Amino acid sequence: KAGVTQTPRYLIKTRGQQVTLSCSPISGHRSVSWYQQTPGQGLQFLFEYFSETQRNKGNFPGRFSGRQFSNSRSEMNVSTLELGDSALYLCASSVLGNIQYFGAGTRLSVL
Amino acid sequence: EDQVTQSPEALRLQEGESSSLNCSYTVSGLRGLFWYRQDPGKGPEFLFTLYSAGEEKEKERLKATLTKKESFLHITAPKPEDSATYLCAVQRSNDYKLSFGAGTTVTVRA
Repeated sequence: KAGVTQTPRYLIKTRGQQVTLSCSPISGHRSVSWYQQTPGQGLQFLFEYFSETQRNKGNFPGRFSGRQFSNSRSEMNVSTLELGDSALYLCASSVLGNIQYFGAGTRLSVL
Repeated sequence: EDQVTQSPEALRLQEGESSSLNCSYTVSGLRGLFWYRQDPGKGPEFLFTLYSAGEEKEKERLKATLTKKESFLHITAPKPEDSATYLCAVQRSNDYKLSFGAGTTVTVRA
């Protein structure tokens, strides 16, 4: 069974640009969650989608947004990038939301 | 606000030297406590879920236990391949968000 696939693996952007990250969950999983991982703050929850609806949202500014498609694939978008947005962005999928399986992440560097 | 505190921050072990990692937590209404392993440059790998005090789970050289305030991850006779960062997370009963601790980085020397 294929795991969670995140693309791209690496991204370099400049301040003020926007970026879209993609996540393909494990087949049959309907919940997709996004997390930001930084050395200073650790792993922090961004938002969770279930059957195309945002079910929960973390404490991040409105520049961070996401969506989920009917095939459960999800995208997250960060607009007006700031230096502090440099991080590893992790996607996790789950059947219902409880046990979450993570992808390898997208490493975003903002210059 | 959920709080998850892991100790120690780092642990250096000799191969075969057993030890324990601690995860203390404060959460209103626990659905489950999760242990993950993360290798450098990779996403967290699911290890265990514990749901109620007194529960124990084992996988190879790892054993996780849960009380009402903390969880322990015991590593028995570790090998160099057990070197990783071990993350603890809690999930509340009314949503599915995972709140993570900062992790314990374990290094096992041959």
